[in-house]
Amino acid sequence: GEDVEQSLFLSVREGDSSVINCTYTDSSSTYLYWYKQEPGAGLQLLTYIFSNMDMKQDQRLTVLLNKKDKHLSLRIADTQTGDSAIYFCAEGYSGGGADGLTFGKGTHLIIQP
Amino acid sequence: GAVVSQHPSRVICKSGTSVKIECRSLDFQATTMFWYRQFPKQSLMLMATSNEGSKATYEQGVEKDKFLINHASLTLSTLTVTSAHPEDSSFYICSGGGLDTDTQYFGPGTRLTVL
Repeated sequence: GEDVEQSLFLSVREGDSSVINCTYTDSSSTYLYWYKQEPGAGLQLLTYIFSNMDMKQDQRLTVLLNKKDKHLSLRIADTQTGDSAIYFCAEGYSGGGADGLTFGKGTHLIIQP
Repeated sequence: GAVVSQHPSRVICKSGTSVKIECRSLDFQATTMFWYRQFPKQSLMLMATSNEGSKATYEQGVEKDKFLINHASLTLSTLTVTSAHPEDSSFYICSGGGLDTDTQYFGPGTRLTVL
């Protein structure tokens, strides 16, 4: 079955880079997503990558995809206190409305001053 | 980006009553809407997928008679939790996807507490 795994916590110092890792099992996944959730709030789409891409960069965010190892990572450069949140990795088969997403349990990013 | 709203944001109800949660896509037409459930410190679990004008498709283990979903228009889907019990207390999040979108856009969620 489908499974998305993430470590539960990551602690970094303010100003350092954060790297959040995710592994998935379904090799037929077409889209891989990173969402951010702040306490008591809904999900904010940060970025996504197509399965035929290796890397995507968007300002402070860099997504790396190793399709062979089914490994996805999100790097946040110059981590700030406002980046403190839970980050969810998710996989899907289609970009828009056709299929629901499978989420990991989320990585709680903790920023140390 | 596309905006999805949910109403109410929080609801507290007595056991045995029914609660309706609305999900609206404000600036795009959501051909498909999804309902997820999130337990504290857990991941989101897909409950059901609804396409405008047709019956919802429920994930395994989700009772369709308990969680009634209606997707009457391209901008509105509702989830009704019938005969709610304390174990139904959770954070319910909807999302909308369309033929011209690259991803799903999530609502802010509804916190349901059943006493």
